[in-house]
This record gives sequence, C-alpha cells and structure tokens, in this order.
Amino acid sequence: GAGVSQSPSNKVTEKGKDVELRCDPISGHTALYWYRQSLGQGLEFLIYFQGNSAPDKSGLPSDRFSAERTGGSVSTLTIQRTQQEDSAVYLCASSLSRGPAYEQYFGPGTRLTVT
Amino acid sequence: AQRVTQPEKLLSVFKGAPVELKCNYSYSGSPELFWYVQYSRQRLQLLLRHISRESIKGFTADLNKGETSFHLKKPFAQEEDSAMYYCALIGFQKLVFGTGTRLLVSP
Repeated sequence: GAGVSQSPSNKVTEKGKDVELRCDPISGHTALYWYRQSLGQGLEFLIYFQGNSAPDKSGLPSDRFSAERTGGSVSTLTIQRTQQEDSAVYLCASSLSRGPAYEQYFGPGTRLTVT
Repeated sequence: AQRVTQPEKLLSVFKGAPVELKCNYSYSGSPELFWYVQYSRQRLQLLLRHISRESIKGFTADLNKGETSFHLKKPFAQEEDSAMYYCALIGFQKLVFGTGTRLLVSP
C-alpha cells in the first residue's frame, strides 16, 4: 500500500518568504509527527497530532512555525518569514497510535533551502 | 531531561568485521528504545526495538540499564549495512533521536 508522502520534495525559497510543506499520512494512522533533520543535529521533534486531541507543539522552535491537520489526515507545516537556519530536511511520520509499541513510518522528506 | 547520545559520527569497518554502534541514553523513567536506519536514497525506517528482543538483518541490541546503553551490534558486517543509524528513545510520549552514526562497510 501507499506509504507516507510529502510534497514538495525540494523547496528553495528566499529569506523572509513563507513556505508550506505537506504530509499525507498512511490511511488509518491516527498519529502524525513532524521532525526536522539538520546536518549534524540528528532528528529534532517539532510537533505531533493524535486523533482529535490538541497537538503537542512543544518542539516548535519559534512562533514562525505552525502546523495543522485537517480532517485527521493531511497535515501542513507552515514556516513564516523563513530564515537561513530553517534550511533542513523536514520529515513527516505517521503511526497507528501514539503509544510506544507502534512503529513510526516516515515519508521521504522535504528538503528546504532558504537563500 | 531525556537525551540520546551517539558519540560516533562515522564508523568505518571492513566487510566481515564486527560492528558496534554506540548509544547511551538519559531518562528518568523506564525507557523504550529503538534503532532506526536510513539507507542511501531511502526513507528512515525502524530496524529494531528493545522490547521485541529481536535480531534483524543480523543486528542485535541489548538494553543495559546499569550503563544506560543500547548499543547496536553485528558480528560480521556486510557492505549493504552501510547506512545512517539513529538510536531513539520514547519518553513522555515523544520519540527522541540521537544525532546518528554513519556506518561505512568497505569491501
């Protein structure tokens, strides 16, 4: 079956512009996660959604970052007034549940470059 | 605070040699630990989890609570094992990753 998909695969934007990154989770997965993968920094948790519960936004690095999940499925990560330090690969993952027994399935990522 | 430390950025070995990728963690509760792997041009994927006590692709990892470690081991490395390996911890319902170790297996 189809895995997690993300779009665009690559995004180049100018400093100060806003960007939107999209994630389509695996159908039926109630939990959705966003991570940022920077060179030498590993994977940094940003935000997760679980069903209809309020999202855990504790990993968002600044108020320029926001995310929403519509209808419990597709999610959009928005970065406003992008800065060069926002350049990274943004990964989305989904799982059947938020519990630790459930494996997270990752998308291919969106490589964001801020010039 | 929960933290995962992978002290080696790069580990280079020859085919057939033993491999140990180090992972240490810091967590006040009872941790759930995982190893994820990312092969070249592929997605990040789960390799193994400590609660399953499984061996995947010849890799094993034992949780040592006394040393707070979860090192990944394989007795005989293969070229196809070359990849980026991430140790991860589930703590307080979040997956916390280490910075990763790139394993390079040369012929």
